[in-house]
Amino acid sequence: DGGITQSPKYLFRKEGQNVTLSCEQNLNHDAMYWYRQDPGQGLRLIYYSQIVNDFQKGDIAEGYSVSREKKESFPLTVTSAQKNPTAFYLCASSRTGAYEKLFFGSGTQLSVL
Amino acid sequence: EDQVTQSPEALRLQEGESSSLNCSYTVSGLRGLFWYRQDPGKGPEFLFTLYSAGEEKEKERLKATLTKKESFLHITAPKPEDSATYLCARGIREKLTFGTGTRLTIIP
Repeated sequence: DGGITQSPKYLFRKEGQNVTLSCEQNLNHDAMYWYRQDPGQGLRLIYYSQIVNDFQKGDIAEGYSVSREKKESFPLTVTSAQKNPTAFYLCASSRTGAYEKLFFGSGTQLSVL
Repeated sequence: EDQVTQSPEALRLQEGESSSLNCSYTVSGLRGLFWYRQDPGKGPEFLFTLYSAGEEKEKERLKATLTKKESFLHITAPKPEDSATYLCARGIREKLTFGTGTRLTIIP
């Protein structure tokens, strides 16, 4: 079945540590996105990529980094510079861009130890 | 600033009691209005896209409508399995801006 796979489901970060969230898709989609979801808030865009080897900052990119070396993969690194990383992180993809429907992964819950 | 506002924040209905959820937005230049359903601990699931005022789309007990400044998600004779958070989002400047959602609970 085609879809988006996020791993791990739960992740814990220690003070000063960088952690990487995995996102893989087999839908042959060009565009991929990372969103952050906090309780009582809407989804906020962290980074997005519309083509391999290119990505753009979203609304809340500070403290995060991404790479897009392969069409299928769009990992997100939460760096130690992100002072409030506890949130539910969602990866999504669309065929070509933001004006089409997004397909979401099942999410990663990141917590700080 | 692009804003998407959803109301109410939470809604509790008896099974079979029809109602509507609202999504309003600022800024012109709509490039699509999207509705998603999200179950607890899961990623959102796509429901509808609307592109122009007057457009309507239906799926089972759900119907989405669009005017120039707002969209409604009508739920007719809901069942307990319709309980979820419903999110709307609008497309603008190569990204989607999401509202905070309406948490819908259907009581058997």
